[in-house]
Amino acid sequence: EAGVAQSPRYKIIEKRQSVAFWCNPISGHATLYWYQQILGQGPKLLIQFQNNGVVDDSQLPKDRFSAERLKGVDSTLKIQPAKLEDSAVYLCASSLTASGYTFGSGTRLTVV
Amino acid sequence: KQEVTQIPAALSVPEGENLVLNCSFTDSAIYNLQWFRQDPGKGLTSLLLIQSSQREQTSGRLNASLDKSSGRSTLYIAASQPGDSATYLCAVDSWGKLQFGAGTQVVVTP
Repeated sequence: EAGVAQSPRYKIIEKRQSVAFWCNPISGHATLYWYQQILGQGPKLLIQFQNNGVVDDSQLPKDRFSAERLKGVDSTLKIQPAKLEDSAVYLCASSLTASGYTFGSGTRLTVV
Repeated sequence: KQEVTQIPAALSVPEGENLVLNCSFTDSAIYNLQWFRQDPGKGLTSLLLIQSSQREQTSGRLNASLDKSSGRSTLYIAASQPGDSATYLCAVDSWGKLQFGAGTQVVVTP
């Protein structure tokens, strides 16, 4: 079974620029998550999709972050404009009910 | 609100010693608990998943226990090796949301 694919692996941008991350979940996994992991901390949920609908985006900074899930499969997370504190690893995960979560390799974002 | 705590935050042991990593959570109403490994700059690799109805899971040198009533899980790694050096994260699935601890950073010295 193919894993969760994410791209790019690394990204360096200047503050106030925009950036987008892409995620392709495991085939058949209806639920997709985006997490933000700041250095030294555990991942924090940003947004959860069930198929192409948003289940929870309560911790997504909506003034600068946006996410969509096209046709209930791939997902894109965008930051515009980026701030220094957005430097983190952005992790995508997918799950099938009660079977646990599978994470991608993440995208490491550095904002300078 | 579910809160997950991992103690210790960091651990250094000589090769061959057994590792004991602790995880505690505040709300016992969970679906399952999952242990992950994270290498520097990388994503999360699932190690063990314990359903709420289970008491423990084993995979090779790894054993994880779950005590829902006391809100605790322990990950045991037998006969540690330098390749076990990584950060270990526990995560609790409550109401379809995965809540993570901050992790235990493990260094196994040759």
